[in-house]
Amino acid sequence: DAGVTQSPTHLIKTRGQQVTLRCSPKSGHDTVSWYQQALGQGPQFIFQYYEEEERQRGNFPDRFSGHQFPNYSSELNVNALLLGDSALYLCASSFGQPSYEQYFGPGTRLTVT
Amino acid sequence: EDKVVQSPLSLVVHEGDTVTLNCSYEVTNFRSLLWYKQEKKAPTFLFMLTSSGIEKKSGRLSSILDKKELSSILNITATQTGDSAIYLCAPAGGTSYGKLTFGQGTILTVHP
Repeated sequence: DAGVTQSPTHLIKTRGQQVTLRCSPKSGHDTVSWYQQALGQGPQFIFQYYEEEERQRGNFPDRFSGHQFPNYSSELNVNALLLGDSALYLCASSFGQPSYEQYFGPGTRLTVT
Repeated sequence: EDKVVQSPLSLVVHEGDTVTLNCSYEVTNFRSLLWYKQEKKAPTFLFMLTSSGIEKKSGRLSSILDKKELSSILNITATQTGDSAIYLCAPAGGTSYGKLTFGQGTILTVHP
């Protein structure tokens, strides 16, 4: 049973660039949530997708956007990258609504220089 | 604004010790509380607690929720070096769609 997968594992970008991170949910799950984890902090909720729609959003600017595909996989896009966007980006999948029991992928480490 | 406070922030013990990790929360429309263990990257699901006063147990780990006190504890008995990790508490709330608000975590180090 495949767990949550994310790609790429690591990424280095320059300020002002754009980045796309990808997530495939655990088999049987239909909801994807994205979190940002800065060094030494707990993960912070970015947004959640269900039925290809953004259902809830955390306190992140519009530079952060996402998409969910019919196969439930998801993308996180960040535009106009800032140094402060450097973090571990975690994807979590779950089943149905509400989706509290969330299972996390290994994350994508984004470094902005 | 939703708030989660975990204590202690870090803890160093020896194998065989018992530890208690604390989590206090203030979350809009609280639904349930989850505990995760994070070793390198992905937080690993431990427990989800919805009802107050009912202990959940998995091996040497156990957890209980107190909705009146807006808190939860995670106990680990007979600790092992493999328990060394960051333990994250995450109450779920917000709208009905499920948003987890994480605490800063407790860094547990278990020495042999």
